[in-house]
Amino acid sequence: AQTVTQSQPEMSVQEAETVTLSCTYDTSESNYYLFWYKQPPSRQMILVIRQEAYKQQNATENRFSVNFQKAAKSFSLKISDSQLGDTAMYFCAFRGGFGNEKLTFGTGTRLTIIP
Amino acid sequence: GAVVSQHPSWVICKSGTSVKIECRSLDFQATTMFWYRQFPKQSLMLMATSNEGSKATYEQGVEKDKFLINHASLTLSTLTVTSAHPEDSSFYICSASKPGLPEEYFGPGTRLTVT
Repeated sequence: AQTVTQSQPEMSVQEAETVTLSCTYDTSESNYYLFWYKQPPSRQMILVIRQEAYKQQNATENRFSVNFQKAAKSFSLKISDSQLGDTAMYFCAFRGGFGNEKLTFGTGTRLTIIP
Repeated sequence: GAVVSQHPSWVICKSGTSVKIECRSLDFQATTMFWYRQFPKQSLMLMATSNEGSKATYEQGVEKDKFLINHASLTLSTLTVTSAHPEDSSFYICSASKPGLPEEYFGPGTRLTVT
């Protein structure tokens, strides 16, 4: 069974600074997908970024980028120029390749952006 | 787009009664829909996976007779909590996936309070 570990329960950073959230996972599969979801105080889950395991290039979405280290099974999220609206719970999630339809979530990191 | 709605957003019911929560994909047809439960300050716990026209697949430990799931069409899934008890009070979230894509799109959630 796959597991996803987020070792930072809480983090805080000053507005405009850069912050990196850590995520490691364990799997025996070679083809899979990794995600970062954001859950702000409204509790609406929002997809931040997606990474396919077969792609070597790290995914980027505006101020959000990932550092995907397949051999180390590490998938960290970097938020640049952090904004107050980035305050949220961030969940790392794993989905296996074809035929595996479940998302496995980490325990989350609560990120607070300080004005 | 990929918008998922849930109704109601908040419901209070008396112990022993049943309550139905609707999940709709508004701008796409969802091959699969998922139901999660989230306790305060915790991650999402998958309850069941449903595909249109077939029986839902429940996760271990989830009572299928208590949490009835119906996936009547490619845009609608419902979760009925039968004979609700105070311990069923929680935040319920649905999600849907598009054909051929690995990510899930989440609804805004439903807060259920059983008195």
